[in-house]
Amino acid sequence: DTGVSQDPRHKITKRGQNVTFRCDPISEHNRLYWYRQTLGQGPEFLTYFQNEAQLEKSRLLSDRFSAERPKGSFSTLEIQRTEQGDSAMYLCASSLETGGGYTFGSGTRLTVV
Amino acid sequence: AQSVTQPDIHITVSEGASLELRCNYSYGATPYLFWYVQSPGQGLQLLLKYFSGDTLVQGIKGFEAEFKRSQSSFNLRKPSVHWSDAAEYFCAVGAFQGAQKLVFGQGTRLTINP
Repeated sequence: DTGVSQDPRHKITKRGQNVTFRCDPISEHNRLYWYRQTLGQGPEFLTYFQNEAQLEKSRLLSDRFSAERPKGSFSTLEIQRTEQGDSAMYLCASSLETGGGYTFGSGTRLTVV
Repeated sequence: AQSVTQPDIHITVSEGASLELRCNYSYGATPYLFWYVQSPGQGLQLLLKYFSGDTLVQGIKGFEAEFKRSQSSFNLRKPSVHWSDAAEYFCAVGAFQGAQKLVFGQGTRLTINP
């Protein structure tokens, strides 16, 4: 297994456009997390899935954000009507239910112009 | 509310010198503590973790951290840094039980002088 994969690595979009990011977790990990990291800050929790169920969402996740994990494997994070404030690194991580720490992907850097 | 404070935003040390990065946390239950390292433009790599047992934990790349409950601290140390250790370091706290949603500090950027 090659770890957590995120696609694309970079995305530049115009304000108002929709974007979608994909995360492929480690295959045996049943938990999947999305975090957002802005410049000079630590990652902030957005949402997490256990298998296909989305169990928690942060207040940071406005109505323009939606995440899915349809078959309990890969996940997508969609941002509708992007705003300049959405510019950030979006990090995906996965873990076993029993814990032990996450494995992070390399992230998707979003720039809204 | 859970919180993590990393008091030092930027630290510069000489190659071969010792290193200590500070981390203080606020958490109402038994904490699960982590240190991650992030190279520019990359994701985060787990250095070490603590949830119980020996309060001095060993991690990868020669790093260690000591949990001090009385001081709510989990400082990261390395006896002799290498130029390749230059990166951003994040301390994080989570629940030992449950979702393990992590709360991160704002990070400490480490620069190594040759």
